[in-house]
Amino acid sequence: EAAVTQSPRSKVAVTGGKVTLSCHQTNNHDYMYWYRQDTGHGLRLIHYSYVADSTEKGDIPDGYKASRPSQENFSLILELASLSQTAVYFCASSGSGVNYAEQFFGPGTRLTVL
Amino acid sequence: AQSVTQPDARVTVSEGASLQLRCKYSSSVTPYLFWYVQYPRQGLQLLLKYYSGDPVVQGVNGFEAEFSKSNSSFHLRKASVHWSDSAVYFCAVSIGASSSFSKLVFGQGTSLSVVP
Repeated sequence: EAAVTQSPRSKVAVTGGKVTLSCHQTNNHDYMYWYRQDTGHGLRLIHYSYVADSTEKGDIPDGYKASRPSQENFSLILELASLSQTAVYFCASSGSGVNYAEQFFGPGTRLTVL
Repeated sequence: AQSVTQPDARVTVSEGASLQLRCKYSSSVTPYLFWYVQYPRQGLQLLLKYYSGDPVVQGVNGFEAEFSKSNSSFHLRKASVHWSDSAVYFCAVSIGASSSFSKLVFGQGTSLSVVP
């Protein structure tokens, strides 16, 4: 029973189209994150959220929006997909208390923009 | 700004040999430190973490890491690797804006290949 799930697992989109990536967590965590991974690079933070109905910008937010309708769900939205947004996207969650810094990751969504 | 450097993009070792993957960080304060592993087409899984105390921390599957404040390093080690250890390994540091928020900064990753 995976604690962080993502859908879809892969997607092909056209340039200029709208893309929505979804993330669901059953960890009862307050924090959720969206990262992007490019080949040969580490993960970079796009957006994060610490409470429902509120999102914050990460390090590379341009071209992305995020939505947190509930504690369990966190979406990443590409309003006008571009070739440069081809990447693997990871969602993660983290809790509070002594282990607040540890993040739990989903399996990733491979997005190809043509 | 905080940063993490993994100087070796690719490492190849023989099965049964020992392993060290290097990680250096730049931070004005001692951060929380992590090693994650990514198997092909999977998400990241936590190997081990360091918050404070004993600088040598044990993780899963026989991995350990040693924190060095003087060298700003957090190197990963394993005494004897197995072919199933082939994966990409990421070092990460946690930069908390408060006691409850964790922003992870990742290194570029080291791709490990274990050969017969």
